[in-house]
Amino acid sequence: GENVEQHPSTLSVQEGDSAVIKCTYSDSASNYFPWYKQELGKRPQLIIDIRSNVGEKKDQRIAVTLNKTAKHFSLHITETQPEDSAVYFCAASMEANDMRFGAGTRLTVKP
Amino acid sequence: DVKVTQSSRYLVKRTGEKVFLECVQDMDHENMFWYRQDPGLGLRLIYFSYDVKMKEKGDIPEGYSVSREKKERFSLILESASTNQTSMYLCASIGNYGYTFGSGTRLTVV
Repeated sequence: GENVEQHPSTLSVQEGDSAVIKCTYSDSASNYFPWYKQELGKRPQLIIDIRSNVGEKKDQRIAVTLNKTAKHFSLHITETQPEDSAVYFCAASMEANDMRFGAGTRLTVKP
Repeated sequence: DVKVTQSSRYLVKRTGEKVFLECVQDMDHENMFWYRQDPGLGLRLIYFSYDVKMKEKGDIPEGYSVSREKKERFSLILESASTNQTSMYLCASIGNYGYTFGSGTRLTVV
């Protein structure tokens, strides 16, 4: 089955700096890679996703890159703000079914 | 806006009790999932269901069972609760925009 590893487990940046979170997956059949943001006490919310036919996707300050050959994908947040502080989860699946999640990254943006 | 509703936000149960966690979605989604969330371990898949009366084991099904008698409702059952089942439980349903999660049930087994 699919196995997703996520690094780092914690990340602290200064406001305005960039943050990068990396994930690797094991199943080459996986073709859907979403990222979720979970604020304290709230449910995970989808922030961006990418499919295996695309190498990069951007949405304002957030971008995701995918390297299918190396089986890794990354989340990039530019110009970080304190409200970006949260736990971020990557996930991988085949056709968005029975997703497997990474262990999460706790991002802290210091003002 | 898809709603996934979990019936309880907090539960405290005793060891050995039978525990039911309920999840209801209102968008006629076929696929529903139960995850547990533990610090440092992320979200781990317990069971999922693709249709009524259909269930599939996830990665950590031991000690759990599920029921899907109606399309909108997916129940997680702890047959005999144990302290190592103390966790946050998240239900999810999937549609065109990926997973939508419920608010979670924080279960404490004492």
